[in-house]
Amino acid sequence: AQSVAQPEDQVNVAEGNPLTVKCTYSVSGNPYLFWYVQYPNRGLQFLLKYITGDNLVKGSYGFEAEFNKSQTSFHLKKPSALVSDSALYFCAVRDINTNAGKSTFGDGTTLTVKP
Amino acid sequence: DSGVTQTPKHLITATGQRVTLRCSPRSGDLSVYWYQQSLDQGLQFLIQYYNGEERAKGNILERFSAQQFPDLHSELNLSSLELGDSALYFCASSVATSGTGELFFGEGSRLTVL
Repeated sequence: AQSVAQPEDQVNVAEGNPLTVKCTYSVSGNPYLFWYVQYPNRGLQFLLKYITGDNLVKGSYGFEAEFNKSQTSFHLKKPSALVSDSALYFCAVRDINTNAGKSTFGDGTTLTVKP
Repeated sequence: DSGVTQTPKHLITATGQRVTLRCSPRSGDLSVYWYQQSLDQGLQFLIQYYNGEERAKGNILERFSAQQFPDLHSELNLSSLELGDSALYFCASSVATSGTGELFFGEGSRLTVL
């Protein structure tokens, strides 16, 4: 079985400050890891993914995430937050050993960036 | 624009009724996924199809069914609707089923059961 935990329901940061949205995962094999963002009344949009290789992954809109196998984490980061980054963020995992492409999503973290 | 089209965007119906949600995947994507998003249960995987065949099943109720047609569009059928079925239903597509590809989500179909 695969699962994802996003320990914070809400993250608040000031504009211009760095932000971190946390994610930990559990899979039986090796993981494929993803971050998605959802703006109000919209579908989820892909931000970045880790499949293999470099543990630091760079994605859209200046976001990056670091894969840490020993801590089973994949935290989303951005050096300088923008008000427009305010949205709901989802971490997702797929087990590399499963035949199907089913992704399991965390419960989401609401990021609020204040001016 | 993700390229995934879902209809209808909004749907209001009564308990006991049946509805069909439709999804057209991105051009070239063979896999279609259905997810249910509700306030109390987050984003729940329902079912996946790949090139017309069911590939994976999640927390899909027996009252719900889905299929993917030869033109790759998919339909999710919800029957004997209950108040608790009110939710946002998302369709997503990806190129393959290998697991490495990201999902492209539609805007969702918001179902309200009264």
